[in-house]
Amino acid sequence: EIVLTQSPATLSLSPGERATLSCRASQSVSSYLAWYQQKPGQAPRLLIYDASNRATGIPARFSGSGSGTDFTLTISSLEPEDFAVYYCQQRSNWPPHTFGQGTKLEIK
Amino acid sequence: EVQLVESGGGLVQPGGSLRLSCAASGFTFSSYWMSWVRQAPGKGLEWVANIQQDGSDRYYVDSVRGRFTVSRDNAKNSLYLQMNSLRAEDTAVYYCAREDCSSTSCPFGYWGQGTLVTVSS
Repeated sequence: EIVLTQSPATLSLSPGERATLSCRASQSVSSYLAWYQQKPGQAPRLLIYDASNRATGIPARFSGSGSGTDFTLTISSLEPEDFAVYYCQQRSNWPPHTFGQGTKLEIK
Repeated sequence: EVQLVESGGGLVQPGGSLRLSCAASGFTFSSYWMSWVRQAPGKGLEWVANIQQDGSDRYYVDSVRGRFTVSRDNAKNSLYLQMNSLRAEDTAVYYCAREDCSSTSCPFGYWGQGTLVTVSS
């Protein structure tokens, strides 16, 4: 089973700052990686698929990069609505699909 | 508009059973793999099971294999999760999600709002 490790667990930043979230896989997942955003009491929302492609309706301030075992989600300039929990997920070697444990992006 | 609406959650005793349903609309249900993903209170996301478009292939996470059964009725645009021998650790919000395999990573492109299952005596 592929394990995804996200860092940091919590990231404290202010609106307007740049956020960099990391996801590391225990073995290569090629580009079969997605990122999701989840706000309290809501279902997750797809942000990025195939490591670097923005999903429909996702603002350009969100970008994804990486391949193999190291991936990054970048939010170029934080908006108030971006403070949430972010998960990475792989479908390279399945079952099971696996998720990272999440990074909580909180307001500083 | 794509919609996924789960139902069937509730309080059940350990060892009991529950059947979750997910009603799909706004897309051709029979063309997509579908999954169940759960989230224990205050915890992260865990994929539970999925099923191929025609129901011929099904996969499960190890912790539920043999206790849970995923199924679908394409005529009714519905996905199901039969949960037997429930344990306290199955307590979670259960989401149904559509797998969008037009892209190689088959992400979960759409999610329902979730239904809460609580296993407790």
